[in-house]
This record gives sequence, structure tokens and C-alpha cells, in this order.
Amino acid sequence: TQLLEQSPQFLSIQEGENLTVYCNSSSVFSSLQWYRQEPGEGPVLLVTVVTGGEVKKLKRLTFQFGDARKDSSLHITAAQPGDTGLYLCAGEADSWGKLQFGAGTQVVVTP
Amino acid sequence: EAGVVQSPRYKIIEKKQPVAFWCNPISGHNTLYWYLQNLGQGPELLIRYENEEAVDDSQLPKDRFSAERLKGVDSTLKIQPAELGDSAVYLCASSLNQNTEAFFGQGTRLTVV
Repeated sequence: TQLLEQSPQFLSIQEGENLTVYCNSSSVFSSLQWYRQEPGEGPVLLVTVVTGGEVKKLKRLTFQFGDARKDSSLHITAAQPGDTGLYLCAGEADSWGKLQFGAGTQVVVTP
Repeated sequence: EAGVVQSPRYKIIEKKQPVAFWCNPISGHNTLYWYLQNLGQGPELLIRYENEEAVDDSQLPKDRFSAERLKGVDSTLKIQPAELGDSAVYLCASSLNQNTEAFFGQGTRLTVV
């Protein structure tokens, strides 16, 4: 059983469309991170959120942390082929003792 | 500045054979992590080092896996003997300390046949 559930598992869209991926847990996160991983590479940190209700923007990417700090979303506006990759969320919770990763959402943006 | 360097990038071995992976972290990074990533899954922590001390190895299968970080810099992860189920990507990451951003290497893709 995954401590963090990511949805959807796979998303294929056309260039210019918007997309949202989700990360949920039954535990309260002390902090949550989003990573992007490209084939043959390690994950690269995109953002860290720590405060409930927090919204962070990184160019066309918008990250939202739920008020109860149990869920998060990543929204990409006007997706481009360069956004293709595996999007991973990772969180720390007091009862876990370490950073736990979700299984990821594979995003494919076609021209 | 060079990132986290791992070698080899790919390794194919027969089951029951030993295998070793090497990691050179970013200079000055005290914390080093080894992760296992199965296909379609997120990384899972195997071991975390603070300098040369292994401070979290609870998920390391100690009957066949071992790791060391001599002098608190480079690290090696060894599997002996390898099993078919060990086929995965082994990722190394480093950070200044456990509370700062971790940078990942490209990983070693292990295939056990």
C-alpha cells in the first residue's frame, strides 16, 4: 500500500492543453515536494511546500498544498513537449520518519 | 560544478553473482542517500549516510546488501548474491544536510538474468 497516492497514473495530452495531477495521503505532511524525472535521469526537485493552503508558481506550473496538508496538486498551463516526464510527489510525515515518494504520474505532451 | 556521479550506468549480471555500484556525491555534501526505483514506482530509500555514519538503514536487506561510505565522501552499494527481483534502478543522491535539497545522480540500471 502506497503511503502517497498519485493520480492519474498516466496522462497524454496535446501541446497547449492544461493538465492537473494529484497527490493524496491519509497522513498530515510536515512538508511535500514535487519532482520531475526524465527517462534515464534522476528526479529533479521542482518545489517544496510546507504551509497548508500554500500556492507556489514556477513559470507555467502551479503547485497547491491542501489546507489540511494531506493533499497537493500540480497544474500545468499550456503544456509543452518539454513538460513530458514522470512527476513524483514526496512527503514527510511525523509517523513516517523519512521522505516517502509516490508512484508518480507519467505525463506525455505531444506536439 | 559536477553533479552526483554514478557508475556504471548499466549493468547486466547473472543471478547469484555479486555486483557493486559507486557514487561520488557533490563536493561538500554531508548527506548521501541510496534509493531503489522499480519500474513504474517512485524511489524507495535503502540507506542514508551523515558523513561516514549510516543513520538510517532500516530498509536495506542486510542479508545480501551492504554499503559503505569511506571518509564520508564516495559510497559503494553492493549486492551479493544478486536475485532476479533486484533488477531495478539504483539512485544515489546527496545534500548539504538532511534538511536541504537532495540532488540525484542518473542512476545505475541493474538487470539480473
